[in-house]
Amino acid sequence: DSGVTQTPKHLITATGQRVTLRCSPRSGDLSVYWYQQSLDQGLQFLIQYYNGEERAKGNILERFSAQQFPDLHSELNLSSLELGDSALYFCASSPPGGGYGYTFGSGTRLTVV
Amino acid sequence: AQSVAQPEDQVNVAEGNPLTVKCTYSVSGNPYLFWYVQYPNRGLQFLLKYITGDNLVKGSYGFEAEFNKSQTSFHLKKPSALVSDSALYFCAVRPRMDSSYKLIFGSGTRLLVRP
Repeated sequence: DSGVTQTPKHLITATGQRVTLRCSPRSGDLSVYWYQQSLDQGLQFLIQYYNGEERAKGNILERFSAQQFPDLHSELNLSSLELGDSALYFCASSPPGGGYGYTFGSGTRLTVV
Repeated sequence: AQSVAQPEDQVNVAEGNPLTVKCTYSVSGNPYLFWYVQYPNRGLQFLLKYITGDNLVKGSYGFEAEFNKSQTSFHLKKPSALVSDSALYFCAVRPRMDSSYKLIFGSGTRLLVRP
């Protein structure tokens, strides 16, 4: 167990639907990062939150949004889902100051049918 | 644009032989460098990192990586491969001046160690 918890582990939903992925960072970590891993595009950085505030944004679609709550857990909301959104979504966390690296969760596998 | 390249989609090696997984980067300044490993249906696990100092960095499971500043490379190595090393390996960099601390990942290299 890495200490970063992601739920659910698997999600199957239909096109056009909306889903929420949840991440609880490792204890003491203030930063949460979201990545998308698809077969043809490797690991793509989506967005980062630090202590409740958005810190950096990557190639995140307008249909996607995220937030980090006061207890530091984060949620990634994906709406108007398309077949191409099927992927593994990873959350990672890092301590204050960056700590030089991340701890990853085990991911949520999203399948859009 | 900042990028990380892993030129080999797959590396095949026999058990007991040395292995090398290549990584080069194009990032301004002297970035922090990382290797992660991903086993099937699992998240990425940290292997090792280069921050400063000795160019040869030792990490988990007997892996090491060599930083070469002039070639902007950070190749992952292991003297004797095990079948259990078969996995997907990612190189990543973090620009030192990036206050977000986000990592830029390579596309990954699949390592297959045959018995």
